[in-house]
Amino acid sequence: AQTVTQSQPEMSVQEAETVTLSCTYDTSESDYYLFWYKQPPSRQMILVIRQEAYKQQNATENRFSVNFQKAAKSFSLKISDSQLGDAAMYFCAYRNNAGNMLTFGGGTRLMVKP
Amino acid sequence: KAGVTQTPRYLIKTRGQQVTLSCSPISGHRSVSWYQQTPGQGLQFLFEYFSETQRNKGNFPGRFSGRQFSNSRSEMNVSTLELGDSALYLCASSLVGRGTEAFFGQGTRLTVV
Repeated sequence: AQTVTQSQPEMSVQEAETVTLSCTYDTSESDYYLFWYKQPPSRQMILVIRQEAYKQQNATENRFSVNFQKAAKSFSLKISDSQLGDAAMYFCAYRNNAGNMLTFGGGTRLMVKP
Repeated sequence: KAGVTQTPRYLIKTRGQQVTLSCSPISGHRSVSWYQQTPGQGLQFLFEYFSETQRNKGNFPGRFSGRQFSNSRSEMNVSTLELGDSALYLCASSLVGRGTEAFFGQGTRLTVV
């Protein structure tokens, strides 16, 4: 079974600065997908960024980028120029090709200080 | 395009009762998945339905069941409610294909008293 671990329960960043959230996973599969989801107080999960395991290039979406290290099974999220609206729970998630089942990490609560 | 709609948003039930939660996926999405979110266990996968068939199932007791209708709308049912079933239940809909994004609803907050 796949497992996803987020070792930082809480992180704090100053507005306009950069923060990195960590995620490691364990799988024996070679073809899979990794995601970062954001869950604000409204509770609605929003996709931040996705990475396909067979692509070596790290995904980027505006201020969000990942550092995907397949051999180390590591998938960290970097948020640049942090904004107050980035404050939320962030979940790392794993998905293989056998359907749409997501395995989530425990989450990291990100606080942004003005 | 309307998003994923979950009803009701909030529910309070008594131990031993049963409950049915509803999820209407985004138009054209045929895959619907359900997740339970609790402070202690985090986000856990319940089951996935595709074309009215259960495609994947998580590690939950048989009290948790679901179904999907021909219009892709899905329901999940929990029978003989326990206090530990209190949680946020999230539904997600997806297209079918490689790396497709899961779109989540706002969830149903179930409280069992």
